[in-house]
Amino acid sequence: SAVISQKPSRDICQRGTSLTIQCQVDSQVTMMFWYRQQPGQSLTLIATANQGSEATYESGFVIDKFPISRPNLTFSTLTVSNMSPEDSSIYLCSVEQTGTGDYGYTFGSGTRLTVV
Amino acid sequence: GENVEQHPSTLSVQEGDSAVIKCTYSDSASNYFPWYKQELGKRPQLIIDIRSNVGEKKDQRIAVTLNKTAKHFSLHITETQPEDSAVYFCAATLLTGSARQLTFGSGTQLTVLP
Repeated sequence: SAVISQKPSRDICQRGTSLTIQCQVDSQVTMMFWYRQQPGQSLTLIATANQGSEATYESGFVIDKFPISRPNLTFSTLTVSNMSPEDSSIYLCSVEQTGTGDYGYTFGSGTRLTVV
Repeated sequence: GENVEQHPSTLSVQEGDSAVIKCTYSDSASNYFPWYKQELGKRPQLIIDIRSNVGEKKDQRIAVTLNKTAKHFSLHITETQPEDSAVYFCAATLLTGSARQLTFGSGTQLTVLP
């Protein structure tokens, strides 16, 4: 299955600043997804990122707050901009694997963000 | 869009007993239903999945059943062990759609008591 390297694994940031999270995949994938998981909660999709096109954002998430880049088929970044304490959460990237006999969605290890 | 409801939110069982977690989905077009296990501080890990063309799938102590008519699917864990303790999430999506993002249930905290 695909291996995803996500970094940073955690960070503590000052309010008003921005943090960029990176995900690197060891194989080419068409679709990458960014999720937010607040403490004790389920996973909420922020946006879908396809290479060569603008990311598609879910209701409640906007590009100005969560800009996404997808420069190639193995890499994506999510930036959390102008952070406030309400942005404290775990952010996860995910990819859709479409290999023969090996279908599924794999997750990165997550970035635990604390905004102070 | 798709909506997935999951219950119970917490489940405690004695070691060796069975555990069942249930999910319902709203979009009759959804055709792929994975289950994830998330241990504390770890990423979600796929444990089993099922497609809409089958009604049941087993993998050792884990099984998933799907009722397309009723739009619900369930995770069954037999002979539970303490290491099964974790949060379990169900999810649903339409594989042939252009979006194909997973919609997750709210999660079930399973505790297996030794």
